[in-house]
Amino acid sequence: GQSLEQPSEVTAVEGAIVQINCTYQTSGFYGLSWYQQHDGGAPTFLSYNALDGLEETGRFSSFLSRSDSYGYLLLQELQMKDSASYFCAVCNQAGTALIFGKGTTLSVSS
Amino acid sequence: SQTIHQWPATLVQPVGSPLSLECTVEGTSNPNLYWYRQAAGRGLQLLFYSVGIGQISSEVPQNLSASRPQDRQFILSSKKLLLSDSGFYLCAWTSGVSTDTQYFGPGTRLTVL
Repeated sequence: GQSLEQPSEVTAVEGAIVQINCTYQTSGFYGLSWYQQHDGGAPTFLSYNALDGLEETGRFSSFLSRSDSYGYLLLQELQMKDSASYFCAVCNQAGTALIFGKGTTLSVSS
Repeated sequence: SQTIHQWPATLVQPVGSPLSLECTVEGTSNPNLYWYRQAAGRGLQLLFYSVGIGQISSEVPQNLSASRPQDRQFILSSKKLLLSDSGFYLCAWTSGVSTDTQYFGPGTRLTVL
């Protein structure tokens, strides 16, 4: 089956850089996705890595190492609005559904 | 553009009562549809997914069921709610090509008393 591990909480200050790690165990691997969820809201898609390396989208970047079964989400120039939960996710073995990690709560302080 | 609707937004139900949550998607055809539950402060638990009308896959055995009577409609039901059914229920869709990019509805916050 699929399983993912990520830290439960991360704290940082405005303007800083923070990295949220995710390790996974899968039966078949298609890629690693990241989602953001603000308190009380629905998750929104941030990024997807199918191949090794770094994908950059504005202040957010995501990295994947397939050989290490490891990825991370990098958030730069942190802002208060980045305080949220961040989930990594992988496809199930059939490639028909996503399995999510338990989420990392990021708290950004001034 | 595609939009996804869920209703109701909030619901308070007594233990033992039935449940019906509805999700509809607009602006796309033959989407993959998903139901997730999120307990307070917890992760997303996949409950059901559907790749087509009448095709339902269950991920977690429990007293919930799902149906897909139309291409863009996904319904979550229960005959008798339990206290443990309380949570935030999220519907999501993807195109059949890209399962990794899921779009979530606004969710239904269910409290069972």
